[in-house]
Amino acid sequence: KQEVTQIPAALSVPEGENLVLNCSFTDSAIYNLQWFRQDPGKGLTSLLLIQSSQREQTSGRLNASLDKSSGRSTLYIAASQPGDSATYLCAGLIQGAQKLVFGQGTRLTINP
Amino acid sequence: DTEVTQTPKHLVMGMTNKKSLKCEQHMGHRAMYWYKQKAKKPPELMFVYSYEKLSINESVPSRFSPECPNSSLLNLHLHALQPEDSALYLCASSQPGRGRQYFGPGTRLLVL
Repeated sequence: KQEVTQIPAALSVPEGENLVLNCSFTDSAIYNLQWFRQDPGKGLTSLLLIQSSQREQTSGRLNASLDKSSGRSTLYIAASQPGDSATYLCAGLIQGAQKLVFGQGTRLTINP
Repeated sequence: DTEVTQTPKHLVMGMTNKKSLKCEQHMGHRAMYWYKQKAKKPPELMFVYSYEKLSINESVPSRFSPECPNSSLLNLHLHALQPEDSALYLCASSQPGRGRQYFGPGTRLLVL
């Protein structure tokens, strides 16, 4: 059974810092890995999608990497801003199914 | 346009009521999903429709009844719900297979 773990569960940093959020998965049989952002009481916003054949994807100040062999993905946020405060979720799409398996999320707070 | 819309935004219902949640997308996606999310937890998959046919039912109680009238619309019919069914209900869509999932803003449901 695929399990996805996110570390840390919560993170608080001052504005301007570069930071890394971690995601690990137990089964390398994933089609892709998606990173989402969720603001309190809102839906999920898709940030980046990395296909299993890719190593990384970039969008603005965000960079996500995927290492299937080690079962890890990281989300790098450069020059963090208070508006980046949210919960960040990673989710792997299981091969042979249409199911996303989510991690528990990292609650990020950027302090002005 | 990468928008998934959901109505209503909020819903309060009694345990004997019948209500419906609606979801719509115009991205040409042929897979649509219902998720349930409790506070401080990741979304849990409920149902998947692929090409307007129910492909996954995650052992959801029969008081939740999904319907996919056409490729753009997804409904969730609710009947005789319990207070523990109170949650944020999220709709998502994607291309079937390995596509990126796009989520709607959700319906906040309170069962009294």
